[in-house]
Amino acid sequence: GIQVEQSPPDLILQEGANSTLRCNFSDSVNNLQWFHQNPWGQLINLFYIPSGTKQNGRLSATTVATERYSLLYISSSQTTDSGVYFCAVQETSGSRLTFGEGTQLTVNP
Amino acid sequence: GAVVSQHPSWVICKSGTSVKIECRSLDFQATTMFWYRQFPKQSLMLMATSNEGSKATYEQGVEKDKFLINHASLTLSTLTVTSAHPEDSSFYICSAMPRVYEQYFGPGTRLTVT
Repeated sequence: GIQVEQSPPDLILQEGANSTLRCNFSDSVNNLQWFHQNPWGQLINLFYIPSGTKQNGRLSATTVATERYSLLYISSSQTTDSGVYFCAVQETSGSRLTFGEGTQLTVNP
Repeated sequence: GAVVSQHPSWVICKSGTSVKIECRSLDFQATTMFWYRQFPKQSLMLMATSNEGSKATYEQGVEKDKFLINHASLTLSTLTVTSAHPEDSSFYICSAMPRVYEQYFGPGTRLTVT
C-alpha cells in the first residue's frame, strides 16, 4: 500500500514563529487532507488539497502531486495551534485514507 | 456543515462485557463511514469500512467477530466491541464522507476496559 511520511516528528516553537510541515507520499493520490488533532482528540479538517495551493487565515498548504509531497505552512503561530498535525492520503483505487505518523507541534507562550 | 457525532465520548466497562459506540452524520447522508483506532502517541489505524445496507469491510488483522459494525441507516453506523478485554482499551474514531474523497471525523470515543 501507499506510504506516507511526515516531518519533522516533533516541533517546538515560540509564539509568533512560522513553521513548515512536510508530507511525502509514495504513489499517486486522489485525495490529500491535512488535519489538526486537538488535545481532546478531535480531528479538525484543515485542507482538502490533492493538488495546488490553498490558504485559510494563518494557514496555507501546497501539494505538488507530480513530486508526491505536500507542505503545510503555519504563520504567526499561537499556543492554540499546539497539537498533532496529520497528513492523510487516498490512493487512486478505493476510498480508504492512509495517515502519516503526524507532527507534534508545541507552541510556547 | 459536515458534522459527525459520536456517542458516548468515553466509556469504562468491565472485562468480558460488550460496548456499543454510535457514529452519526448530523447534516448529511453517508453511504460509507469508517472506523479507526488510535493508541496513545500513535497515528490512526483504519479498522473497517462501513457500508449502508451491506456488510462492513474489515482491514487485515481486525477481528470481525470482536468488532461488530452495523450501518443501520444513511446517518448511523455502530461499532460494538464484544467481550472486551483490557487490550481493547483505545480511542475509537469514526468518519464519514459528505462529498467524494473528503472525510470528516467524529470527536472520538475513549474506551477503558478494566
